[in-house]
Amino acid sequence: SQQGEEDPQALSIQEGENATMNCSYKTSINNLQWYRQNSGRGLVHLILIRSNEREKHSGRLRVTLDTSKKSSSLLITASRAADTASYFCATDSGMRFGAGTRLTVKP
Amino acid sequence: DTAVSQTPKYLVTQMGNDKSIKCEQNLGHDTMYWYKQDSKKFLKIMFSYNNKELIINETVPNRFSPKSPDKAHLNLHINSLELGDSAVYFCASSQGMSSSGNTIYFGEGSWLTVV
Repeated sequence: SQQGEEDPQALSIQEGENATMNCSYKTSINNLQWYRQNSGRGLVHLILIRSNEREKHSGRLRVTLDTSKKSSSLLITASRAADTASYFCATDSGMRFGAGTRLTVKP
Repeated sequence: DTAVSQTPKYLVTQMGNDKSIKCEQNLGHDTMYWYKQDSKKFLKIMFSYNNKELIINETVPNRFSPKSPDKAHLNLHINSLELGDSAVYFCASSQGMSSSGNTIYFGEGSWLTVV
């Protein structure tokens, strides 16, 4: 099945630092989405990037897509303690998710 | 108003019991999903319905049976519960199929514990 696989599994940084997490997938896609899950909550959509886009910005979020490498990255700049959450990617093929990257931002 | 609501939020039950989790969305979406999140946070799709028609049916034991009485509801019935069914179950919906880039809206999850 076509699912996004996030890397690293866990990431711990200090407030103010940038956080980068990656997503890999196996087959061709039309689009890829990133979602965030706060502890004990449902997932919330962050950003979508289409296969013909290489980079997309939304506030402090920057997403890149490299279709040749079948990978995407999510960069959170100037992180805040409130960014502490798990981040998931999913491709358009059935919207299958992985285990996410657990980001901890220490104040 | 909650966009995707599921009940109950917490459910503790004994092995062998039958239980249901209900889900309703008020977004007017025509596609609904059930996901299972295990203790390692892996989020796995179980079922997807589009206009009350089953679209995705992953390798899920047939003890799990989704029922969609209308586009706004997708309930999950589980028979003969097993310890391994303990997980968080998320209902979700989207306008059209996710393959078109439609955002999926998730409920807050139902924590199922089988003892």
